[in-house]
Amino acid sequence: DVKVTQSSRYLVKRTGEKVFLECVQDMDHENMFWYRQDPGLGLRLIYFSYDVKMKEKGDIPEGYSVSREKKERFSLILESASTNQTSMYLCASSLMAGASTDTQYFGPGTRLTVL
Amino acid sequence: QKEVEQDPGPLSVPEGAIVSLNCTYSNSAFQYFMWYRQYSRKGPELLMYTYSSGNKEDGRFTAQVDKSSKYISLFIRDSQPSDSATYLCAMSEGNTPLVFGKGTRLSVIA
Repeated sequence: DVKVTQSSRYLVKRTGEKVFLECVQDMDHENMFWYRQDPGLGLRLIYFSYDVKMKEKGDIPEGYSVSREKKERFSLILESASTNQTSMYLCASSLMAGASTDTQYFGPGTRLTVL
Repeated sequence: QKEVEQDPGPLSVPEGAIVSLNCTYSNSAFQYFMWYRQYSRKGPELLMYTYSSGNKEDGRFTAQVDKSSKYISLFIRDSQPSDSATYLCAMSEGNTPLVFGKGTRLSVIA
């Protein structure tokens, strides 16, 4: 079974802090994704990566950056957390680079609260 | 107009009912259509996958795509309390990231 793990289930940070969210997949998938999920807004793509050291902006990249130094690990960085970044963050991975039709496997999510 | 529209519900049905979940979309280039199911406090998981128009059946679940109307449906027969979850439609042109609907929350009451 594909396993996507996220470093924390719940996280509370203060405004202005730098926040790192980590995601690891164990199935040698090429693609990795970061989404945020908010009531009434659904799942929105922040960034994705189809290869090590490669990244592409999604629909809402402002205020976020990402890092993919190893194939299995994809990090989401909030350079200076703000209250409007309070959300559920979901990481996903899929097998083939560039093929957006591949099944995406999601992690359990990190509920981030910024005070 | 949003690219993908999905009624958020909530939808509450008795056990054994037939459930119909729907999405409409505006981008005629979408060719790949998916339904993901998300249980409370979990990430979404793929439930059904359909390419282009037509029907696909898997057990109690049937996915339908009508490209002429830009309308997709998921039917659940003999619904069970274990089907209680949020159902998200998702679609793609094939070379672009998935676009998700907002999800419909379903409760099946025993």
